[in-house]
Amino acid sequence: DTGVSQNPRHKITKRGQNVTFRCDPISEHNRLYWYRQTLGQGPEFLTYFQNEAQLEKSRLLSDRFSAERPKGSFSTLEIQRTEQGDSAMYLCASSLSGNEQFFGPGTRLTVL
Amino acid sequence: GESVGLHLPTLSVQEGDNSIINCAYSNSASDYFIWYKQESGKGPQFIIDIRSNMDKRQGQRVTVLLNKTVKHLSLQIAATQPGDSAVYFCAEKLDNTGKLIFGQGTTLQVKP
Repeated sequence: DTGVSQNPRHKITKRGQNVTFRCDPISEHNRLYWYRQTLGQGPEFLTYFQNEAQLEKSRLLSDRFSAERPKGSFSTLEIQRTEQGDSAMYLCASSLSGNEQFFGPGTRLTVL
Repeated sequence: GESVGLHLPTLSVQEGDNSIINCAYSNSASDYFIWYKQESGKGPQFIIDIRSNMDKRQGQRVTVLLNKTVKHLSLQIAATQPGDSAVYFCAEKLDNTGKLIFGQGTTLQVKP
């Protein structure tokens, strides 16, 4: 257990529905990252926050995706109008500035 | 785009032998490299890191070697144990944002 928690651990939804995932980072970590991982591949960067500010977004993050970190602590990742291609493991990581990133267990999304 | 790749998708070793997992990276400007271990259904777990101003770093049973001339990274695991069976990813950091670029992973299988 790295100290990063994610909820839910699994989510099954129908195409077109909206889903929201939550990440609670290690408490003193100021940076929070979201990645997506598909089967057999390495994680792909989506976005990251330093405190409340979203500093970078990948081109993978389409308009249907939005992430927030309102108080600089936990973060949420919402996917609107889900598509089957959104099925993946969504990983959250946190770090103290630019140091090593600690990953949570992930949320596995299945879009039917 | 830039990517980090691993030479072999699968490596099978006998318990007690040493394992060497290789990785080639493409961006000579990368200044930080990490090895992660990922077990089935879990998030990546930090193993060891190395900065570009070093060529070797040792941890407990693990050693990371960095050859900047040929842009090559390797992870050596001494006395491999069944618990070492997992997928191993190398990752590089391209700038001070902390965004990690992962390779595709090598599956390490340890035979008893």
